[in-house]
Amino acid sequence: SAVISQKPSRDICQRGTSLTIQCQVDSQVTMMFWYRQQPGQSLTLIATANQGSEATYESGFVIDKFPISRPNLTFSTLTVSNMSPEDSSIYLCSVGQDSGALHFGNGTRLTVT
Amino acid sequence: GENVEQHPSTLSVQEGDSAVIKCTYSDSASNYFPWYKQELGKRPQLIIDIRSNVGEKKDQRIAVTLNKTAKHFSLHITETQPEDSAVYFCAASLNQAGTALIFGKGTTLSVSS
Repeated sequence: SAVISQKPSRDICQRGTSLTIQCQVDSQVTMMFWYRQQPGQSLTLIATANQGSEATYESGFVIDKFPISRPNLTFSTLTVSNMSPEDSSIYLCSVGQDSGALHFGNGTRLTVT
Repeated sequence: GENVEQHPSTLSVQEGDSAVIKCTYSDSASNYFPWYKQELGKRPQLIIDIRSNVGEKKDQRIAVTLNKTAKHFSLHITETQPEDSAVYFCAASLNQAGTALIFGKGTTLSVSS
């Protein structure tokens, strides 16, 4: 499986600020996927990031709130903008395997105060 | 879009017993069904998967069955051990390039010794 490095692993932020999460993969991948996991909840897809084009967002997620960059085939960032306590979650990047499975990074645990 | 329902939300068993978790999906075009295990504070990890052209797949103590007609699939864990305690997520996808996984809400399995 690809090795995914996600940073930061955790952060505590004040409301109204923004946090950028970085995801680095050790091999070139076409698609990267960003998920959110609220406390005790399931994984919800935020967006799909394809290199060279704008990310595709799921219902309930908008680019102004969660801008995503995908400058090359091994890197992506997710920014959580103008944060509120409701944004406190674990954010996970993932990449697809040839089998169809997803491999996840270790996640970023975000707490907004 | 795809919707995945998962039951039960919690499951408690005695060590050595079997555990069964069931999921249903809505999109008949979905053809890939993985199961993930997430231990506390860790990322989800793939434990087994099945494709729509297969009815059953087994890997040691875990097995997955798929009923395409009824659009449901199940995870079976036999001879449960305390280390099986975790949250289990089922998922579904079209298994095409650029297709993300849609997850069920998860089942918290507790195995007591």
